[in-house]
Amino acid sequence: KQEVTQIPAALSVPEGENLVLNCSFTDSAIYNLQWFRQDPGKGLTSLLLIQSSQREQTSGRLNASLDKSSGRSTLYIAASQPGDSATYLCASDNSGYALNFGKGTSLLVTP
Amino acid sequence: DVKVTQSSRYLVKRTGEKVFLECVQDMDHENMFWYRQDPGLGLRLIYFSYDVKMKEKGDIPEGYSVSREKKERFSLILESASTNQTSMYLCASRPINEKLFFGSGTQLSVL
Repeated sequence: KQEVTQIPAALSVPEGENLVLNCSFTDSAIYNLQWFRQDPGKGLTSLLLIQSSQREQTSGRLNASLDKSSGRSTLYIAASQPGDSATYLCASDNSGYALNFGKGTSLLVTP
Repeated sequence: DVKVTQSSRYLVKRTGEKVFLECVQDMDHENMFWYRQDPGLGLRLIYFSYDVKMKEKGDIPEGYSVSREKKERFSLILESASTNQTSMYLCASRPINEKLFFGSGTQLSVL
């Protein structure tokens, strides 16, 4: 079964810093990989989806990369803001149906 | 915008009660999912459905059942609620190999 790991579990940075969140997965036979954001007590919001044939996707200050051969994805957040504080989860799609989720990285951006 | 609506934001039930959690999506997605989310355990898949009247067990189906009589609606049923089913329940939907969209979640407390 696919295992998805996110390190670190928590991260605190000062406002304005660029930062990288890491995601690793054990089975490289994926259809795609998705990154989500979750605010406390809320549902998850999809940020970026990278298809297996792609290397990266960008949306505003967010850039996600995918390296299937090494089983890794990164989410790069440029010029972090306090409003970016949330939990970020990655999930791999190995079936086209249900996703396998990591446990997330809790990000705190301090003013 | 895709909308996934969960019928209740908070729910309090007694042990032994039969509990229905309802989820409706408005984008004609084939696939619908029920996850539960617990601190330290992350998201775990309970059941998913890839078509009307079709269902597949996820990782933790014990104590749950589901119903999908119409394409837009996917219900999670706790046959006899127990305290260990106290959790955040998240419904989601997606087309095959596309982004996953979540509802805002139902925080269920079983007393």
